[in-house]
Amino acid sequence: GNSVTQMEGPVTLSEEAFLTINCTYTATGYPSLFWYVQYPGEGLQLLLKATKADDKGSNKGFEATYRKETTSFHLEKGSVQVSDSAVYFCALSDNAGNMLTFGGGTRLMVKP
Amino acid sequence: EAGVVQSPRYKIIEKKQPVAFWCNPISGHNTLYWYLQNLGQGPELLIRYENEEAVDDSQLPKDRFSAERLKGVDSTLKIQPAELGDSAVYLCASSLGSDRGETQYFGPGTRLLVL
Repeated sequence: GNSVTQMEGPVTLSEEAFLTINCTYTATGYPSLFWYVQYPGEGLQLLLKATKADDKGSNKGFEATYRKETTSFHLEKGSVQVSDSAVYFCALSDNAGNMLTFGGGTRLMVKP
Repeated sequence: EAGVVQSPRYKIIEKKQPVAFWCNPISGHNTLYWYLQNLGQGPELLIRYENEEAVDDSQLPKDRFSAERLKGVDSTLKIQPAELGDSAVYLCASSLGSDRGETQYFGPGTRLLVL
């Protein structure tokens, strides 16, 4: 079956530091890949997505590239802010009805 | 545009009691999903609807869980009777369709505590 593995947190960074959150997946066929973010007290929000190999998704300074050869979709941001503190979820959807399979989430804490 | 609406936001019940959660998807979204999110974990799919039809309920524990989506709009998820292990956040999501890569929009969730 499908699975998503992401690095465990919490990840603690100082403001303006570089961020990488690793995500790897196992799936048959050609899944679509997503990063969702959950801010404190709020619901899941789509951060970015990529639907085919070598696509780069980007939003709010975050980006991730769909790497089929390494089955990865790592999330990066060049300079994090305190407001980026949240839980980040990597997810994939396959051809069978677009059902999402999520990783366990990575909590990011950014200190001023 | 209004997002996915869920109610209640919080619910505390005693074990063996029934409980129901309600979801109103984004207008025009034909596909509706219910997910379960345990503490510190990612959401897991319970059931998917295409309009009023439940097209994938393989992960729904049918001995105690039931769901319906009358008229293909609002949906209700019920647990009867609730068990201690059902304490979790129940998330509803909707999307225009179910093509691969279609964005799912999530509601704020209902946090259930079973005592």
